[in-house]
Amino acid sequence: NAGVTQTPKFQVLKTGQSMTLQCAQDMNHNSMYWYRQDPGMGLRLIYYSASEGTTDKGEVPNGYNVSRLNKREFSLRLESAAPSQTSVYFCASSRGQGASEQFFGPGTRLTVL
Amino acid sequence: AQSVAQPEDQVNVAEGNPLTVKCTYSVSGNPYLFWYVQYPNRGLQFLLKYITGDNLVKGSYGFEAEFNKSQTSFHLKKPSALVSDSALYFCAVRGSGNTPLVFGKGTRLSVIA
Repeated sequence: NAGVTQTPKFQVLKTGQSMTLQCAQDMNHNSMYWYRQDPGMGLRLIYYSASEGTTDKGEVPNGYNVSRLNKREFSLRLESAAPSQTSVYFCASSRGQGASEQFFGPGTRLTVL
Repeated sequence: AQSVAQPEDQVNVAEGNPLTVKCTYSVSGNPYLFWYVQYPNRGLQFLLKYITGDNLVKGSYGFEAEFNKSQTSFHLKKPSALVSDSALYFCAVRGSGNTPLVFGKGTRLSVIA
């Protein structure tokens, strides 16, 4: 039982390049999330998927797109990376919304030059 | 709009002493409250949550938190701190309906031997 896995662990991009961050969970959870963590800012929600087939914007969606590929997988795409997107990205999943706790992946450290 | 405040960026405590990490919140309706811990270069780990009922919630690793509705607080406590408790702690809140979880900016706990 791997929990939540993320790939890659590290990535360096040049401004304007694109990339996709992959996330998968094996806990049969309905809801999945993408966050970014910046020093002094805590975690900020980028996008989430309350259930398979739905996605919604979070607090900081600009510059990102997501795809809920199936119940297990939720990817985050940067179409044209900018230095402001340098951050650590975390994927999380939960059984549902409401009182369900979230389970987090190990993170992807992204640097945009 | 819902929000969480962690008023201390850093808390220092001597090993064996009690520790408290403070959290206050603002939310419409009844809150769901969570504490998470993050060790260096890791994802967040769930510690405990308050949904309803007893105001004192017990969680992992000997941590507990007290829900105080009148003061809109949910402080994290441990009777006797360990050096291994040194980490970054996040408080989070979700209100009624399907509103997303909102995280505080985090408090860095340092336990000194």
